Amino acid sequence: ETGVTQTPRHLVMGMTNKKSLKCEQHLGHNAMYWYKQSAKKPLELMFVYSLEERVENNSVPSRFSPECPNSSHLFLHLHTLQPEDSALYLCASSQQTGLHEQFFGPGTRLTVL
Amino acid sequence: GENVEQHPSTLSVQEGDSAVIKCTYSDSASNYFPWYKQELGKRPQLIIDIRSNVGEKKDQRIAVTLNKTAKHFSLHITETQPEDSAVYFCAASTGNQFYFGTGTSLTVIP
Repeated sequence: ETGVTQTPRHLVMGMTNKKSLKCEQHLGHNAMYWYKQSAKKPLELMFVYSLEERVENNSVPSRFSPECPNSSHLFLHLHTLQPEDSALYLCASSQQTGLHEQFFGPGTRLTVL
Repeated sequence: GENVEQHPSTLSVQEGDSAVIKCTYSDSASNYFPWYKQELGKRPQLIIDIRSNVGEKKDQRIAVTLNKTAKHFSLHITETQPEDSAVYFCAASTGNQFYFGTGTSLTVIP
C-alpha cells in the first residue's frame, strides 16, 4: 500500500490495558507526526519526529509514549488511558519538518472504556 | 503559544456560489499556512498552502489570501460543487509546530 498506513483502524481498550498504534509511511519522508482528533476540537499535535529524533513534545501525558525506530515507522504506546483519551489518532509524514505538506494516514479510532 | 481561530464553524452555499472561510492567528513568527480538506470518514488532505512571503495563491477554483499585518488568512472556493462538501481546517506553523483551527463544515446544496 502506498502513502501513510495505520494499524489498527479501530481499537477498544480498558483503562488498564497496554496497546500500541502503528504508523508506516512509504513516501521516503524524514518527518513523522502524531495527532489527536476529538469532536468539536482542533487537531492537536502530540509528537514530532525528524530523522528518528523527537523534536517536539507538546505536554502530552506520559500515558502516551511514542517510538520511532526508523524514518518509516512510528508507534504510539498506550498505557492506563482515560475515557477522555477516546479519539481518532492520526499519523502524518512530511518530507522535512517546517514548510512542507503533511500526508495523513487514515487514523485509528480509539475507544477507552 | 499560537492560537488559531476559524470562522464560520458551519457554512451552507448553493452550488455555483462562492464560499469563504477565515482564520486568524496570534504568533507573528508563524510563516506557513496550509488548508486541509477532510471528507466524512476520510483523512485530511492538503488543498492549498501559502508561505508568509506571499500574499495570495490560486489553484483553479481555490485561492488563499494572507494578511500578515492583521494576522489573518482566508480560503476562497469559487463555483462550488457538491463534492466540495467537507470539513476544512486551516493551520499555522512556525516550523516544527502546527496549530489547527477548529474546522468549518461546508455543505454545497445542489
